[in-house]
Amino acid sequence: SYELTQPPSVSVSPGQTASIPCSGDSLGDKYASWYQQKPGQSPVLVIYQDNKRPSGIPERFSGSNSGNTATLTISGTQAMDEADYYCQAWDSSTVVFGGGTKLTVL
Amino acid sequence: QVQLQESGPGLVKPSQTLSLTCTVSGGSISSDIHYWSWIRQPAGKGLEWIGRIHSSGSTSNSPSLKSRVTISVDTSKNQFSLKLSSVTAADTAVYYCAREEYHILTGLILHDYWGQGTLVTVSS
Repeated sequence: SYELTQPPSVSVSPGQTASIPCSGDSLGDKYASWYQQKPGQSPVLVIYQDNKRPSGIPERFSGSNSGNTATLTISGTQAMDEADYYCQAWDSSTVVFGGGTKLTVL
Repeated sequence: QVQLQESGPGLVKPSQTLSLTCTVSGGSISSDIHYWSWIRQPAGKGLEWIGRIHSSGSTSNSPSLKSRVTISVDTSKNQFSLKLSSVTAADTAVYYCAREEYHILTGLILHDYWGQGTLVTVSS
């Protein structure tokens, strides 16, 4: 079965750029989406179709996808961005999520 | 604004069947381009997709759960439901329903609206 791999944790200083990778076999040939989940809340879609932002998502969130890695980038990271982030892709008509990355804003 | 709300028992005994319903408001479940999904998350762990249904009745389920999962839709009530049979403690999780946009030709999948989630505990 298809797997997406994320680092368990990423740390960033306020105002700096955070990059969260998601790797999978030929992931660049698929579309990647990203979700933000804060404690006790439902996930929120922050990036879809590799690099598109839904309405209401700040411009500091961006995405890319090439080769075997999709990357979520948060520019000018704010304390409110501290959360778990999950990548997602499609394989054989099923949905696959990465294991999630806890972003800590120190 | 589309809203989804899960409902159902919070406690299920081992070997029994877990049953949940998701009520959709603010939009029609009969949308041609949208599917309706169930996703779960054990405490402290990641998200796991369970399956989806279209208002036409077409379904697709996770291979790992396929034999135990039944997803159905009631367009007259704007609801869809999940049944998971032969549950064990490993099925204890927060269960979310979500709206899924799924483009089979391109492989684009996204979940743009989610319910608040409901905790289901499997215990005797």
